[in-house]
Amino acid sequence: AQTVTQSQPEMSVQEAETVTLSCTYDTSESDYYLFWYKQPPSRQMILVIRQEAYKQQNATENRFSVNFQKAAKSFSLKISDSQLGDAAMYFCAYPTGTASKLTFGTGTRLQVTL
Amino acid sequence: DTGVSQNPRHKITKRGQNVTFRCDPISEHNRLYWYRQTLGQGPEFLTYFQNEAQLEKSRLLSDRFSAERPKGSFSTLEIQRTEQGDSAMYLCASSLALRTGGNEQFFGPGTRLTVL
Repeated sequence: AQTVTQSQPEMSVQEAETVTLSCTYDTSESDYYLFWYKQPPSRQMILVIRQEAYKQQNATENRFSVNFQKAAKSFSLKISDSQLGDAAMYFCAYPTGTASKLTFGTGTRLQVTL
Repeated sequence: DTGVSQNPRHKITKRGQNVTFRCDPISEHNRLYWYRQTLGQGPEFLTYFQNEAQLEKSRLLSDRFSAERPKGSFSTLEIQRTEQGDSAMYLCASSLALRTGGNEQFFGPGTRLTVL
């Protein structure tokens, strides 16, 4: 069974600094996608960034980038120039099967301090 | 409004009662998902529709749970004879089936169920 592990329940970063959230996963597939979703307090979950496994280049979306290590099955999220609005739960997720249903990690709560 | 909507946002019920939640997906999306999220955990998949067909159900979905998506539009999730363990946030998501695996799922705000 596919599993997704986020080993950091909580992280804290100062405004304007950089933080990295970790995620490891387990799969026997060779081509797949990985996602990072953000869930702000009392607001709906939104996609932050996606990575396709066959692409060597790490995905980047503005201040958000990933460090994808396929052999190590590691998929970390780097947030640069952190802003107060980045405070949220962050979930790493992996779609499986023909339904592309998402398997989520347990999440990392990110606090952003002044 | 082009996002996914869910109603009600909150539901408090007594153990043993039936509850029904509604999800309105983004109109052109043919895939619809239900997930359940308990405190401190990531969402867990419950069931999936492609158009009006329910194609996959998780083992988490006991016989007390039923979901429908008539005419491939909105969906309802009903829980019969609720138990305290059903207390959770129920999330709905929708997507387009354009390419395998990489399609973004758009989430609704969720329905928070509390069973007393």
